[in-house]
Amino acid sequence: DADVTQTPRNRITKTGKRIMLECSQTKGHDRMYWYRQDPGLGLRLIYYSFDVKDINKGEISDGYSVSRQAQAKFSLSLESAIPNQTALYFCATSRLAGGTDTQYFGPGTRLTVL
Amino acid sequence: GQQVMQIPQYQHVQEGEDFTTYCNSSTTLSNIQWYKQRPGGHPVFLIQLVKSGEVKKQKRLTFQFGEAKKNSSLHITATQTTDVGTYFCAGQGSNYKLTFGKGTLLTVNP
Repeated sequence: DADVTQTPRNRITKTGKRIMLECSQTKGHDRMYWYRQDPGLGLRLIYYSFDVKDINKGEISDGYSVSRQAQAKFSLSLESAIPNQTALYFCATSRLAGGTDTQYFGPGTRLTVL
Repeated sequence: GQQVMQIPQYQHVQEGEDFTTYCNSSTTLSNIQWYKQRPGGHPVFLIQLVKSGEVKKQKRLTFQFGEAKKNSSLHITATQTTDVGTYFCAGQGSNYKLTFGKGTLLTVNP
Protein backbone atom coordinates (compact mmCIF):
# COMPACT_ATOMS: atom_id res chain seq x y z
CA ASP A 1 0.00 0.00 0.00
CA ALA A 2 1.63 3.27 -1.14
CA ASP A 3 0.23 5.06 1.91
CA VAL A 4 2.54 3.05 4.16
CA THR A 5 6.23 3.53 3.48
CA GLN A 6 9.26 1.87 4.99
CA THR A 7 12.90 2.93 4.92
CA PRO A 8 15.33 1.52 4.09
CA ARG A 9 14.01 -1.15 1.74
CA ASN A 10 17.17 -3.20 2.02
CA ARG A 11 19.95 -3.10 4.59
CA ILE A 12 23.05 -5.15 5.17
CA THR A 13 24.80 -4.66 8.47
CA LYS A 14 27.25 -6.35 10.78
CA THR A 15 26.78 -8.09 14.09
CA GLY A 16 26.69 -5.65 16.99
CA LYS A 17 25.61 -2.61 14.99
CA ARG A 18 22.58 -0.53 15.92
CA ILE A 19 19.94 -0.40 13.24
CA MET A 20 16.76 1.62 12.92
CA LEU A 21 13.93 0.80 10.55
CA GLU A 22 11.39 3.51 9.92
CA CYS A 23 7.74 3.43 8.99
CA SER A 24 5.53 6.30 7.95
CA GLN A 25 1.86 6.35 6.99
CA THR A 26 -0.50 8.87 5.47
CA LYS A 27 -3.66 6.84 6.10
CA GLY A 28 -4.48 8.65 9.34
CA HIS A 29 -4.59 5.37 11.22
CA ASP A 30 -3.95 5.31 14.95
CA ARG A 31 -2.67 1.74 15.15
CA MET A 32 0.74 0.64 13.93
CA TYR A 33 2.58 -2.68 14.02
CA TRP A 34 5.96 -4.24 13.35
CA TYR A 35 6.20 -7.83 12.10
CA ARG A 36 9.04 -10.01 10.98
CA GLN A 37 8.65 -12.70 8.37
CA ASP A 38 10.85 -15.76 8.12
CA PRO A 39 10.32 -18.66 5.70
CA GLY A 40 7.87 -21.16 7.14
CA LEU A 41 7.15 -19.06 10.22
CA GLY A 42 4.63 -16.64 8.80
CA LEU A 43 4.23 -13.16 10.25
CA ARG A 44 5.32 -12.74 13.84
CA LEU A 45 4.38 -9.64 15.78
CA ILE A 46 7.27 -7.74 17.35
CA TYR A 47 5.59 -4.62 18.79
CA TYR A 48 2.37 -2.76 18.33
CA SER A 49 1.03 0.65 19.22
CA PHE A 50 -2.63 1.61 19.42
CA ASP A 51 -1.86 5.31 19.79
CA VAL A 52 1.12 7.59 20.36
CA LYS A 53 1.31 6.91 24.10
CA ASP A 54 0.57 3.21 23.87
CA ILE A 55 3.35 0.69 23.14
CA ASN A 56 2.95 -3.05 23.58
CA LYS A 57 5.21 -6.04 23.18
CA GLY A 58 4.30 -8.69 20.68
CA GLU A 59 5.31 -12.33 20.69
CA ILE A 60 9.00 -11.77 19.82
CA SER A 61 10.07 -8.42 21.26
CA ASP A 62 13.42 -9.50 22.76
CA GLY A 63 16.30 -7.70 21.06
CA TYR A 64 14.04 -5.00 19.63
CA SER A 65 12.73 -1.64 20.76
CA VAL A 66 10.31 0.82 19.20
CA SER A 67 9.48 4.49 19.21
CA ARG A 68 6.20 6.10 18.21
CA GLN A 69 7.35 9.60 17.37
CA ALA A 70 3.98 10.73 16.05
CA GLN A 71 0.71 9.20 14.96
CA ALA A 72 2.18 8.72 11.50
CA LYS A 73 5.62 7.38 12.45
CA PHE A 74 6.69 4.17 14.14
CA SER A 75 10.34 3.12 14.27
CA LEU A 76 11.87 -0.24 15.08
CA SER A 77 15.39 -0.46 16.50
CA LEU A 78 17.79 -3.32 16.86
CA GLU A 79 20.16 -2.16 19.57
CA SER A 80 22.85 -4.71 18.78
CA ALA A 81 22.04 -6.70 15.67
CA ILE A 82 22.69 -10.43 15.53
CA PRO A 83 22.58 -12.81 12.55
CA ASN A 84 19.32 -14.48 13.56
CA GLN A 85 17.60 -11.12 13.17
CA THR A 86 18.12 -11.48 9.44
CA ALA A 87 14.56 -11.38 8.09
CA LEU A 88 11.97 -9.43 6.16
CA TYR A 89 10.37 -6.76 8.34
CA PHE A 90 6.93 -5.33 7.71
CA CYS A 91 5.21 -2.33 9.18
CA ALA A 92 1.41 -2.28 9.16
CA THR A 93 -1.28 0.19 10.11
CA SER A 94 -4.93 -0.09 10.97
CA ARG A 95 -7.88 1.75 12.37
CA LEU A 96 -10.50 0.07 14.47
CA ALA A 97 -13.80 0.74 12.74
CA GLY A 98 -17.09 -1.01 13.28
CA GLY A 99 -15.36 -3.53 15.52
CA THR A 100 -12.94 -4.65 12.83
CA ASP A 101 -9.27 -3.96 12.38
CA THR A 102 -8.03 -4.48 8.82
CA GLN A 103 -4.29 -4.05 8.46
CA TYR A 104 -2.42 -2.31 5.63
CA PHE A 105 1.17 -3.33 5.12
CA GLY A 106 4.20 -1.42 3.94
CA PRO A 107 6.49 -2.83 1.23
CA GLY A 108 8.89 -4.37 3.73
CA THR A 109 12.54 -3.98 4.69
CA ARG A 110 14.91 -6.83 3.95
CA LEU A 111 17.55 -6.87 6.68
CA THR A 112 20.69 -8.97 6.55
CA VAL A 113 22.96 -9.19 9.59
CA LEU A 114 26.40 -10.60 8.84
CA GLY B 1 -3.17 -16.67 24.16
CA GLN B 2 -5.09 -16.94 20.95
CA GLN B 3 -3.55 -19.24 18.36
CA VAL B 4 -4.44 -19.58 14.70
CA MET B 5 -3.36 -22.72 12.88
CA GLN B 6 -3.31 -22.85 9.11
CA ILE B 7 -2.86 -25.86 6.83
CA PRO B 8 -1.34 -26.90 4.58
CA GLN B 9 1.93 -25.02 4.78
CA TYR B 10 2.61 -25.58 1.07
CA GLN B 11 0.45 -26.62 -1.86
CA HIS B 12 1.55 -27.21 -5.42
CA VAL B 13 -1.12 -27.63 -8.08
CA GLN B 14 -1.43 -27.89 -11.82
CA GLU B 15 -3.08 -24.94 -13.45
CA GLY B 16 -6.81 -25.58 -13.55
CA GLU B 17 -6.90 -27.64 -10.37
CA ASP B 18 -8.70 -26.45 -7.27
CA PHE B 19 -6.98 -25.33 -4.06
CA THR B 20 -8.14 -25.04 -0.46
CA THR B 21 -6.46 -23.70 2.66
CA TYR B 22 -7.88 -24.13 6.15
CA CYS B 23 -7.64 -22.06 9.26
CA ASN B 24 -8.48 -23.01 12.86
CA SER B 25 -8.51 -20.82 15.93
CA SER B 26 -8.07 -21.92 19.53
CA THR B 27 -10.74 -19.41 20.57
CA THR B 28 -13.98 -18.04 19.16
CA LEU B 29 -13.34 -15.15 16.82
CA SER B 30 -15.21 -11.92 16.27
CA ASN B 31 -14.13 -12.00 12.64
CA ILE B 32 -11.58 -13.57 10.34
CA GLN B 33 -9.63 -11.86 7.60
CA TRP B 34 -7.74 -13.24 4.62
CA TYR B 35 -4.63 -11.74 3.07
CA LYS B 36 -2.58 -12.59 0.00
CA GLN B 37 1.14 -12.01 -0.40
CA ARG B 38 2.51 -12.27 -3.91
CA PRO B 39 6.13 -13.42 -4.28
CA GLY B 40 8.39 -10.50 -3.37
CA GLY B 41 5.43 -8.46 -2.17
CA HIS B 42 3.65 -7.58 1.01
CA PRO B 43 0.41 -8.98 2.48
CA VAL B 44 -2.69 -7.42 0.98
CA PHE B 45 -6.16 -7.62 2.51
CA LEU B 46 -8.61 -9.76 0.55
CA ILE B 47 -11.76 -10.10 2.58
CA GLN B 48 -13.32 -10.21 6.02
CA LEU B 49 -15.93 -12.62 7.37
CA VAL B 50 -17.95 -11.67 10.41
CA LYS B 51 -21.08 -13.78 10.69
CA SER B 52 -21.35 -17.39 11.77
CA GLY B 53 -21.59 -19.62 8.69
CA GLU B 54 -20.87 -16.75 6.33
CA VAL B 55 -19.83 -17.48 2.76
CA LYS B 56 -18.39 -14.86 0.44
CA LYS B 57 -17.17 -15.11 -3.13
CA GLN B 58 -14.69 -13.11 -5.13
CA LYS B 59 -14.69 -14.47 -8.68
CA ARG B 60 -13.00 -17.90 -8.35
CA LEU B 61 -12.31 -17.49 -4.61
CA THR B 62 -14.80 -18.73 -2.01
CA PHE B 63 -14.36 -17.88 1.65
CA GLN B 64 -16.23 -19.59 4.47
CA PHE B 65 -16.52 -18.89 8.19
CA GLY B 66 -17.54 -21.80 10.40
CA GLU B 67 -20.72 -21.96 12.44
CA ALA B 68 -18.76 -21.83 15.69
CA LYS B 69 -16.65 -18.91 14.39
CA LYS B 70 -13.45 -20.83 15.08
CA ASN B 71 -12.55 -22.05 11.61
CA SER B 72 -12.44 -20.76 8.08
CA SER B 73 -11.44 -21.82 4.61
CA LEU B 74 -10.41 -20.30 1.31
CA HIS B 75 -11.15 -22.28 -1.83
CA ILE B 76 -9.87 -21.33 -5.26
CA THR B 77 -11.59 -22.94 -8.24
CA ALA B 78 -9.57 -23.65 -11.38
CA THR B 79 -6.31 -22.08 -10.27
CA GLN B 80 -4.38 -19.79 -12.56
CA THR B 81 -0.72 -18.78 -12.49
CA THR B 82 -1.80 -15.38 -11.17
CA ASP B 83 -3.01 -17.11 -7.99
CA VAL B 84 0.52 -17.94 -6.83
CA GLY B 85 1.52 -16.54 -3.49
CA THR B 86 1.06 -17.04 0.21
CA TYR B 87 -2.43 -16.86 1.66
CA PHE B 88 -2.77 -15.88 5.29
CA CYS B 89 -5.78 -16.03 7.54
CA ALA B 90 -5.92 -13.68 10.51
CA GLY B 91 -8.33 -14.08 13.38
CA GLN B 92 -9.57 -11.17 15.43
CA GLY B 93 -10.49 -11.97 18.98
CA SER B 94 -12.47 -10.10 21.59
CA ASN B 95 -9.47 -7.87 22.34
CA TYR B 96 -9.53 -6.66 18.70
CA LYS B 97 -5.98 -7.85 18.10
CA LEU B 98 -5.33 -9.82 14.91
CA THR B 99 -3.46 -13.12 15.09
CA PHE B 100 -2.07 -14.37 11.80
CA GLY B 101 -1.79 -17.98 10.73
CA LYS B 102 1.55 -19.08 9.31
CA GLY B 103 0.19 -18.99 5.77
CA THR B 104 -0.14 -21.42 2.87
CA LEU B 105 2.27 -21.02 -0.03
CA LEU B 106 0.52 -21.85 -3.29
CA THR B 107 2.51 -22.61 -6.41
CA VAL B 108 0.84 -23.29 -9.75
CA ASN B 109 2.42 -25.28 -12.55
CA PRO B 110 1.31 -23.92 -15.94
